[in-house]
Amino acid sequence: DQQVKQNSPSLSVQEGRISILNCDYTNSMFDYFLWYKKYPAEGPTFLISISSIKDKNEDGRFTVFLNKSAKHLSLHIVPSQPGDSAVYFCAASGGANNLFFGTGTRLTVIP
Amino acid sequence: SAVISQKPSRDICQRGTSLTIQCQVDSQVTMMFWYRQQPGQSLTLIATANQGSEATYESGFVIDKFPISRPNLTFSTLTVSNLSPEDSSIYLCSVEDRAVNYGYTFGSGTRLTVV
Repeated sequence: DQQVKQNSPSLSVQEGRISILNCDYTNSMFDYFLWYKKYPAEGPTFLISISSIKDKNEDGRFTVFLNKSAKHLSLHIVPSQPGDSAVYFCAASGGANNLFFGTGTRLTVIP
Repeated sequence: SAVISQKPSRDICQRGTSLTIQCQVDSQVTMMFWYRQQPGQSLTLIATANQGSEATYESGFVIDKFPISRPNLTFSTLTVSNLSPEDSSIYLCSVEDRAVNYGYTFGSGTRLTVV
């Protein structure tokens, strides 16, 4: 049973535009959410996180939004750059050290 | 943030053999985590490796198939035993990294192909 879902396997965006990556979860006990970026042949790299007590966290071009009532989070990248092209995983944690990952969204930023 | 050296980066193994994957961290960490990413699937936690005690395995994963060693606070190995083609995956180690706001840092991964 997939507790974290990324329903869009891929996304293409023009350089300079906004990229919005979505993630849904089913477990209301999750209280910490993370986004990872993964380039080919590399392990996932931590990007940004948000605690369930917040609804927004911003770090430079990256903003994560959390809608607890909808069990939905999104990652906004503005402006998108070609170097942002990668696979993005969202992950959720419920206090234990087990992260539950989505299946990833491949973002392609078109120059 | 923590730096993890994971070896090998890839391997092709014969059915029935075993592969041991090593992870070395540049700082002492209490727990190390081993994940598997099967083709088209999400990363799935295999087990948590604690120094000085047996690893804790997630549902669906057993010690006989995935023995883990954790001899000290900077090193761990995962062995994938009695390999079958279904074991072809990317295997990653990870540590909790307080330097990145309680995110987790991952090794670069080991791509295993079983033939």
